[in-house]
Amino acid sequence: EVQVVESGGGLVQPGRSLRLSCSTSGFTFGDYGVTWVRQAPGKGLEWVSLIRNAADGGTTDYAASVRGRFTISRDDSKSNAYLQMNSLKTEDTAVYYCARDRRYSSGSYYPDFWGQGTLVTVSS
Amino acid sequence: QPVLTQSPSASASLGASVKLTCTLSSGHSHYAMAWHQQQPEKGPRYLMMLHSDGSHTKGDGIPDRFSGSGSGAERYLTISSLQSEDEADYYCQTWGGGIQVFGGGTKLTVL
Repeated sequence: EVQVVESGGGLVQPGRSLRLSCSTSGFTFGDYGVTWVRQAPGKGLEWVSLIRNAADGGTTDYAASVRGRFTISRDDSKSNAYLQMNSLKTEDTAVYYCARDRRYSSGSYYPDFWGQGTLVTVSS
Repeated sequence: QPVLTQSPSASASLGASVKLTCTLSSGHSHYAMAWHQQQPEKGPRYLMMLHSDGSHTKGDGIPDRFSGSGSGAERYLTISSLQSEDEADYYCQTWGGGIQVFGGGTKLTVL
């Protein structure tokens, strides 16, 4: 059974850092990419970041709103992915979802299995 | 980079069918795209990939009541024999230029 579980959310002050984890099981993690998507309260889904699999170089992409502040990474030996969030702003408050991403074509991925999310609240 | 446009809301009666629309921006009508469902207070669920030729590939366990169509700028998600658990937000999603993009979502109400 495929499982994707996020953790690490919580209340953090503006300007501080937080690291989210995405633990997975039930599939060959190294064959897939990983995406982080967030959802602010009452809003729609907003893509945050993607990390491709090793065969595609493990390259990363970021939304303009988080580029330079957030860093996505993965540890294939543990079937885990991470999102390091620095210089947090109040507008980063959201539920953060991790998703397994299936490769569609060279460099192109899409989410095909989602976690249940972890809430990040940025407030003083 | 592509932009996806969805109507904010739709409604249909229990047991009826509904067709949700997602419009790809100019110059991106040949893109593949995915549909995702988000039931209240839950994480999203992948429904299907809608390929540029109008064919679709559904995710594991997705009922036959869900189908996708459309090969141009307008893409569709059709849900037949509506059930109460189909009341949810539906998002289309694609990618391009190093980013992934979601439509604004359609809130489906089952009457």
